[in-house]
Amino acid sequence: DVKVTQSSRYLVKRTGEKVFLECVQDMDHENMFWYRQDPGLGLRLIYFSYDVKMKEKGDIPEGYSVSREKKERFSLILESASTNQTSMYLCASSFRARGHTVGYTFGSGTRLTVV
Amino acid sequence: AQKVTQAQTEISVVEKEDVTLDCVYETRDTTYYLFWYKQPPSGELVFLIRRNSFDEQNEISGRYSWNFQKSTSSFNFTITASQVVDSAVYFCALSEAERDAGKSTFGDGTTLTVKP
Repeated sequence: DVKVTQSSRYLVKRTGEKVFLECVQDMDHENMFWYRQDPGLGLRLIYFSYDVKMKEKGDIPEGYSVSREKKERFSLILESASTNQTSMYLCASSFRARGHTVGYTFGSGTRLTVV
Repeated sequence: AQKVTQAQTEISVVEKEDVTLDCVYETRDTTYYLFWYKQPPSGELVFLIRRNSFDEQNEISGRYSWNFQKSTSSFNFTITASQVVDSAVYFCALSEAERDAGKSTFGDGTTLTVKP
């Protein structure tokens, strides 16, 4: 089974802290994504990556950065956490298909609270 | 820009009822993909189905069926004889072909509650 593992299920951080959210997938997928999920707003794309050391901004990248030093790992970084970044963060991966787009495999999510 | 609208925020049914979840999308691309995902109370989104824009055949998988209508830009999801285990948040998503790593735009989700 494809697994996408997010290192923490719940996190509580203080305003101004630097926060790292880790995501690891074990199926050699090229594409990885970070979304945040908020009530009434669905899933919004923060950043994505289609290869090692490659990253692209999604729809709401402000206040975030990412790192992809290895194919299996995609880290989301909150440089200086703020209360409006309290949310559920979801990591997903997919493989690069020729000629068609495939669905995602999601991790179980990290619920981050910034106090 | 692409957009996915799930107009139903919450639906509540009694077990064994049929229920349809609506999804309407907007895109300028001629090639695109539509998805449905299920998010049970445990939190992990699970992929249910993918449909490409060239294939308008409806699909049935057990109690689940999907109706793709390009003319109305809709991709609706029907659960027949609903069960309590179907209670979850359901998301419809759109991906515009394979550029940008096939990134998806999601609707806001529909929360389905199936009561015994």
